[in-house]
Amino acid sequence: RKEVEQDPGPFNVPEGATVAFNCTYSNSASQSFFWYRQDCRKEPKLLMSVYSSGNEDGRFTAQLNRASQYISLLIRDSKLSDSATYLCVVYKAAGNKLTFGGGTRVLVKP
Amino acid sequence: DAGVIQSPRHEVTEMGQEVTLRCKPISGHDYLFWYRQTMMRGLELLIYFNNNVPIDDSGMPEDRFSAKMPNASFSTLKIQPSEPRDSAVYFCASSRSRLAGGAYEQYFGPGTRLTVT
Repeated sequence: RKEVEQDPGPFNVPEGATVAFNCTYSNSASQSFFWYRQDCRKEPKLLMSVYSSGNEDGRFTAQLNRASQYISLLIRDSKLSDSATYLCVVYKAAGNKLTFGGGTRVLVKP
Repeated sequence: DAGVIQSPRHEVTEMGQEVTLRCKPISGHDYLFWYRQTMMRGLELLIYFNNNVPIDDSGMPEDRFSAKMPNASFSTLKIQPSEPRDSAVYFCASSRSRLAGGAYEQYFGPGTRLTVT
């Protein structure tokens, strides 16, 4: 089983709609969680950290469920520019490593 | 501020040849990471440095791969000899700040797209 798993998608989303997707992690000792965004043929960029209480940044909401070992990302009022691959990232202090999921591809269409 | 700089951006080489990828981290960042990304395996951490010292190279696939960081502003990833299965995008990333929980925000370079024929 992979340490960090994501539905690869693609999630086809009409412009203006809401889309949500999850990421599961296998190691309960994981401490910190992040979402990165990667545009086609570009480098990954940090989108947001995920806090235990959940957090929101504009149209983006991230949540953490430690009991079920998953994090989620919700995008409201989708824009064409939200089309990208969203990478779930898990950090463990033991080993001091970030582990990336395979990514979820989102396509926002007019 | 300049971001992470990688060169070359594209490299096409024949099997058996030596390949050297270069990275200049953001000034003041004391962590440097090398990643490899393929469709099949996603983004994999190969090795990372802290203050120019290799900390964890457990992701380096085999002895054909080596990485050095002779100073705070330069790192290389070398593949010798190269094989077709090494074809991938190689990213360098650097970090300075620690985020909540001890993790760090990584800034990625644009990557080197390597094709080995």
